[in-house]
Amino acid sequence: QQPVQSPQAVILREGEDAVINCSSSKALYSVHWYRQKHGEAPVFLMILLKGGEQKGHEKISASFNEKKQQSSLYLTASQLSYSGTYFCGTEVRMDSSYKLIFGSGTRLLVRP
Amino acid sequence: DTGVSQDPRHKITKRGQNVTFRCDPISEHNRLYWYRQTLGQGPEFLTYFQNEAQLEKSRLLSDRFSAERPKGSFSTLEIQRTEQGDSAMYLCASSFPGTGSTDTQYFGPGTRLTVL
Repeated sequence: QQPVQSPQAVILREGEDAVINCSSSKALYSVHWYRQKHGEAPVFLMILLKGGEQKGHEKISASFNEKKQQSSLYLTASQLSYSGTYFCGTEVRMDSSYKLIFGSGTRLLVRP
Repeated sequence: DTGVSQDPRHKITKRGQNVTFRCDPISEHNRLYWYRQTLGQGPEFLTYFQNEAQLEKSRLLSDRFSAERPKGSFSTLEIQRTEQGDSAMYLCASSFPGTGSTDTQYFGPGTRLTVL
């Protein structure tokens, strides 16, 4: 089941804050956040794990509410370089590894 | 550059032709994944290799698709008798199992396929 991301798009002025949400109808093992710029590879930002462990980018924060099956990505004091499409991926276990089921993305545009 | 690399970056082909894409994972990453991404959507999982073994295949991967990873290094994805619906970005990712409960998948730049 594909996670649902909101909002679908957001436009900010440089220095403003944004929150991107990701929710799932299934129990979550972990949530993975990526940013993708047009024509480029998705770039890893952060993993949030059950139990509160986080791994990722120093300047980006996120939360993971296991009970509500939701995660939120917080972008503070946005910079022009933050522009791109943000995807959350929820982990589905396979034998010996996992696959990611991605949401349809949140397009973020930061203007000067 | 020590990231995931993919070749070619762009491929234009006529309907009915066969195409093959290559992915070189990050050195020593024994896990390799293929995803497909269409415009305005997130990547969709296609298949997964651990070393040379293909351990998981999505129902999206029809009989016209085949993937290999000989010797557990690079991987190839072949599409036979291409159809216009195959037009998409094909992304490769690799990972290495860490000491924690999950590992990070690192994506390559993708191969954009256009089927005319």
